[in-house]
Amino acid sequence: EVQLVESGGGLVKPGGSLRLSCAASGFIFSDAWMSWVRQAPGKGLEWVGRIKSKTDGGTTDYAAPVKGRFTISRDDSKNTLYLQMNSLKTEDAAVYYCTTDTTQGSDWGQGTLVTVSS
Amino acid sequence: DIVMTQSPLSLPVTPGEPASISCRSSQSLLHSNGYNYLDWYLQKPGQSPHLLIYLGSNRASGVPDRFSGGGSGTDFTLKISRVEAEDVGVYFCMQGLQTPITFGQGTRLDIK
Repeated sequence: EVQLVESGGGLVKPGGSLRLSCAASGFIFSDAWMSWVRQAPGKGLEWVGRIKSKTDGGTTDYAAPVKGRFTISRDDSKNTLYLQMNSLKTEDAAVYYCTTDTTQGSDWGQGTLVTVSS
Repeated sequence: DIVMTQSPLSLPVTPGEPASISCRSSQSLLHSNGYNYLDWYLQKPGQSPHLLIYLGSNRASGVPDRFSGGGSGTDFTLKISRVEAEDVGVYFCMQGLQTPITFGQGTRLDIK
């Protein structure tokens, strides 16, 4: 069974930084493309970015609102996905979900809440 | 960016009755491999989204057969043949053809 467990959320001031982690199990993590998706309170879903498997180049893509501020990385030896968030803005406040990224649809973690407030 | 538009945004349904949700994309989601890169997800209250349908019409493992997905190109539909109380929540369509991956606004299904 696929399990994705996010951690690292919390309260941060505007302009601050935070690193989210996603511990993966139940599948071959090193072969998987992975994404981060966020959901502001009471709002819809917004894709944040993706990282391909190293076999497929390990490259990253980002949504325009976070490009240049957020960085996705992975540690295949630890089966862990990361999201480094810098220069946080109030509009970045959301629940952040880690997802698998496959043509057969995505599995989602339970999410971790990021609050950006002074 | 591909814009995904769902309708209706709110859907009250009587248990046992059918329900249908439309999802339209601003560009065709039909890949050259013949598959439509369109998924459907349900987010139940207080939970994270979970997969119902992938590649337009394929039910995910464990999804009841009262759920079906259809359509091609830019027009897609999720159908529930007989709504049950456990089906309440927000339904999202998502295109995975190209980045940025984009989602519909969501359709909230409630029981009458």
